[in-house]
Amino acid sequence: SQTIHQWPATLVQPVGSPLSLECTVEGTSNPNLYWYRQAAGRGLQLLFYSVGIGQISSEVPQNLSASRPQDRQFILSSKKLLLSDSGFYLCAWRITLRRSGELFFGEGSRLTVL
Amino acid sequence: GQQLNQSPQSMFIQEGEDVSMNCTSSSIFNTWLWYKQDPGEGPVLLIALYKAGELTSNGRLTAQFGITRKDSFLNISASIPSDVGIYFCAGQGGSEKLVFGKGTKLTVNP
Repeated sequence: SQTIHQWPATLVQPVGSPLSLECTVEGTSNPNLYWYRQAAGRGLQLLFYSVGIGQISSEVPQNLSASRPQDRQFILSSKKLLLSDSGFYLCAWRITLRRSGELFFGEGSRLTVL
Repeated sequence: GQQLNQSPQSMFIQEGEDVSMNCTSSSIFNTWLWYKQDPGEGPVLLIALYKAGELTSNGRLTAQFGITRKDSFLNISASIPSDVGIYFCAGQGGSEKLVFGKGTKLTVNP
């Protein structure tokens, strides 16, 4: 069966520090991968998605970047964090080439920027 | 772009009551999904709908894909305390991306 893991689960970082959140999917090949941000426990904002290795689509201009160095690995990064980057970050995947849009989420990473 | 209106924003009910929430869209969707999110965790898929008019159940949960393809509802029967959480609808049209509603926060008083 397929599983998705993201880490770290919780992160407290000072303003101006770098960020790296990692997500891996197991049990499937060539998934579509997504990074979402959720502020204040409501609303899911799509940040990036990837349909293949090295292919990244950015949805919102921001202080963050994403990379997909391997088929089942998706990384969210920042060189210098801002206060407004605080939030709950969710990685998600779905099977490519299926008619359904079923999206499966990871456990989430809570980022607090101080 | 596509937008989803999810209502109500929040609900406070007594244990044992039935719950109904819905989502409407400004455009047609091919897929409707309903998720539940517990505090501090990722959303979990509850029900997926693929055809206009489709009615699908998952235990005490029932969801329907509206016949116009622009709306969907989720019903929870005989609510229990563990139903507490935020429920999200999501729809997909012709693109790769899902559009999410803003969520319905459910509180169940025992």
